[in-house]
Amino acid sequence: AQTVTQSQPEMSVQEAETVTLSCTYDTSENNYYLFWYKQPPSRQMILVIRQEAYKQQNATENRFSVNFQKAAKSFSLKISDSQLGDTAMYFCAFMNRNSGNTPLVFGKGTRLSVIA
Amino acid sequence: NAGVTQTPKFRVLKTGQSMTLLCAQDMNHEYMYWYRQDPGMGLRLIHYSVGEGTTAKGEVPDGYNVSRLKKQNFLLGLESAAPSQTSVYFCASKTSFDEQFFGPGTRLTVL
Repeated sequence: AQTVTQSQPEMSVQEAETVTLSCTYDTSENNYYLFWYKQPPSRQMILVIRQEAYKQQNATENRFSVNFQKAAKSFSLKISDSQLGDTAMYFCAFMNRNSGNTPLVFGKGTRLSVIA
Repeated sequence: NAGVTQTPKFRVLKTGQSMTLLCAQDMNHEYMYWYRQDPGMGLRLIHYSVGEGTTAKGEVPDGYNVSRLKKQNFLLGLESAAPSQTSVYFCASKTSFDEQFFGPGTRLTVL
């Protein structure tokens, strides 16, 4: 079974600074997706970024980028130029691609506060 | 295109009462999921469905039942609610090898 670990329950960052959220995972699979989801106070789960395991290039989406280290099973999220609207819970998630119906496995989340 | 919707958004129950949460999606997705979110626990899978008429247990299925009579709907039932089922419930759907799309969540309190 897969497990996802987020070792930072809470973090804070000054507006306009850069912050990195950590995520490690454990799996014996070789074909999978990794995701970062954002959950603002509205509760809505919003996909931030996705990484396919077979791609060596790290995914980027505007101010959000990942550092994917497959051998180390590490998948960190870097937020550049932090904005007040980035304040949210962030969840790392794993999905096995070898079967189409597999659900996401989530970490316990990191609460990020952006301070003005 | 409404995406994934959940009904109701909030509900308060007394211990022993029953209720059904409705999830509907208009994206013709095959796969649908019910999660619960508790503080410090992330999202945990309750039940899921790989197609109309099929359901399967997830990580925390006890005390819940589900049905998928129509492809677009996935119902989560609590037959006899307990305070331990106080949580926020999320429904999600997806195609085979794609991201999951989430509904807005239902906050349930069991007194």
